[in-house]
Amino acid sequence: QVQLAQSGAEVKNPGASVKISCKASGYTFSNFFVHWVRQAPGQGLEWMGMINPTDGVTTFGQRFQGRVALTRDTSTDTVEMDLSSLTSDDTAIYFCARAAGTAPFDYWGQGTLVTVSS
Amino acid sequence: DIQMTQSPATLSAFVGDTVTITCRASQNVRYWLAWYQQKPGKAPKLLISDVSTLQAGVPSRFRGSGSRTEFTLTISSLQPDDFATYYCHQYEDYSTFGQGTRVEI
Repeated sequence: QVQLAQSGAEVKNPGASVKISCKASGYTFSNFFVHWVRQAPGQGLEWMGMINPTDGVTTFGQRFQGRVALTRDTSTDTVEMDLSSLTSDDTAIYFCARAAGTAPFDYWGQGTLVTVSS
Repeated sequence: DIQMTQSPATLSAFVGDTVTITCRASQNVRYWLAWYQQKPGKAPKLLISDVSTLQAGVPSRFRGSGSRTEFTLTISSLQPDDFATYYCHQYEDYSTFGQGTRVEI
């Protein structure tokens, strides 16, 4: 069965970076884009960006350009999201999700809580 | 960027009611519109894709409609399991979500 398994919760100081992984299984990794969506406490969903696992090409939302990086490892079917210069506003649950091209997100990871606090 | 405006923010209803949630796009998203259900502490669950295509296993009381910039999600005969937050999502131009509608008892 399709699964996107994310790494565990993180606590970071302001100014630090965080890296979250998303390991895909149960489908052909290269056939689906992997997107990242975050949700601040009590708030809605915010799209951050996506990566094409086939060629590693990435696209980011305007708010995150220059501060987020996505990489993929086709040997382990894993995508990593690296968010830098953290502030308290980055405290959120971060989800990875897959989509087949111009398509909605049909499978999601379980979410990773990132807490930014001094 | 395409903006998605969802209303209402909160909706109070009884079991058995029919409820409607509206989503308006700032520009034409054609048919690239989805609806998700999210429960506390869980990832969103895809209910409807391409405006009106029900996902496998989703009850037929959920119905999506609309086109271009105006879309609705209708839930008929509301069940206890339907009390959750619902989001619209455009994927015509990258991705944008609506602000969410909390359906409460």
